[in-house]
Amino acid sequence: GQQLNQSPQSMFIQEGEDVSMNCTSSSIFNTWLWYKQDPGEGPVLLIALYKAGELTSNGRLTAQFGITRKDSFLNISASIPSDVGIYFCAGQLRANAGGTSYGKLTFGQGTILTVHP
Amino acid sequence: DGGITQSPKYLFRKEGQNVTLSCEQNLNHDAMYWYRQDPGQGLRLIYYSQIVNDFQKGDIAEGYSVSREKKESFPLTVTSAQKNPTAFYLCASSMGGLYTDTQYFGPGTRLTVL
Repeated sequence: GQQLNQSPQSMFIQEGEDVSMNCTSSSIFNTWLWYKQDPGEGPVLLIALYKAGELTSNGRLTAQFGITRKDSFLNISASIPSDVGIYFCAGQLRANAGGTSYGKLTFGQGTILTVHP
Repeated sequence: DGGITQSPKYLFRKEGQNVTLSCEQNLNHDAMYWYRQDPGQGLRLIYYSQIVNDFQKGDIAEGYSVSREKKESFPLTVTSAQKNPTAFYLCASSMGGLYTDTQYFGPGTRLTVL
């Protein structure tokens, strides 16, 4: 089955630093999603990417859908303490079956981000 | 407010007991999903439903059951057959559109088996 490798597994940074994390896949996706999860809570969608090469920003966050459709990265600029949490990438390959369509999400293992004030 | 609710937030169960986790959404989404999360791991799909009265097994369905009698509700039962049920359970929903199908998550239920 499809596998996602997300790196790094954890990061310890100082407030104000920029952060970069990425996901690579053994096969292609046609959607990449980036989520953030706070401890004990559900993941919250940060950015959704739908086209190869697409570069999308959401405030201090920027994410790109790789040209090969097998990778994506997320950058956080000028980190602040509330950026602390676990960041997950998820790839989706939409498939049509019998007139309906469902794309299973495959998740990376997560990147644990710690920001020191 | 539109969103996904899960209850209870924390659940304790004795070994050998079945337990049902609730998931409700008022987003008018057609599709709903159940995931399991273990420490240090990504989310794994248990069951999903694209439409009322229909559902399919995900990657780790053994020991779990679901029903989808209403569009808004997708309860998950963790049965005594599930060998390692202690985990964080997440419900999600999506519109089920043709080109985009972004999933949105509820706050989760932490199940602990004593």
